[in-house]
Amino acid sequence: NAGVTQTPKFRVLKTGQSMTLLCAQDMNHEYMYWYRQDPGMGLRLIHYSVGEGTTAKGEVPDGYNVSRLKKQNFLLGLESAAPSQTSVYFCASSYSKGASGSYNEQFFGPGTRLTVL
Amino acid sequence: AQTVTQSQPEMSVQEAETVTLSCTYDTSESDYYLFWYKQPPSRQMILVIRQEAYKQQNATENRFSVNFQKAAKSFSLKISDSQLGDAAMYFCAYSEHSGYALNFGKGTSLLVTP
Repeated sequence: NAGVTQTPKFRVLKTGQSMTLLCAQDMNHEYMYWYRQDPGMGLRLIHYSVGEGTTAKGEVPDGYNVSRLKKQNFLLGLESAAPSQTSVYFCASSYSKGASGSYNEQFFGPGTRLTVL
Repeated sequence: AQTVTQSQPEMSVQEAETVTLSCTYDTSESDYYLFWYKQPPSRQMILVIRQEAYKQQNATENRFSVNFQKAAKSFSLKISDSQLGDAAMYFCAYSEHSGYALNFGKGTSLLVTP
């Protein structure tokens, strides 16, 4: 049981390049999330998904796109990377609301450190 | 949007002593969840303790306990018998009962000295 995994762990991009971050979970969770963590800012929600085929914007969605084609995977895309997107990106997952024993605990991946030059 | 405030950017405690980290939040909801997450240098986010707002009893997990004051919208974390391994960033987080995302505070960096 690997929990939540993220690929890659580190990446350096040049301004204007594109890339996709992959998040995978093996806990059969319905909900998945992408956060970014910047120094002194805590974690902020970028996008989230409440089920396969559905996505929604979070607090800081600009410059990012997401897709949830399979229940276990949640992809975060940067179409044209900017230095302001230099950050640590965390994926998380949780049970659906109302699920037995659910209290919306989110399980986090190990993070991806992205640098945009 | 709900806001979570951690007013202590840094705290220091001696090994074996007790330390309290502060957190306040703003919400108009009556039912919600509160969490403390620990982030060591490895970056991994680790759930320390959670509290359901409808429960009056304060949550405890071994050396970790909370002081939940619903009327004051305060949710502090007490670490007893501090250990070197407790050194980390600690984040307070809020979640609506019917919502999805966690709203995080900016964190408190805890230093544990021998």
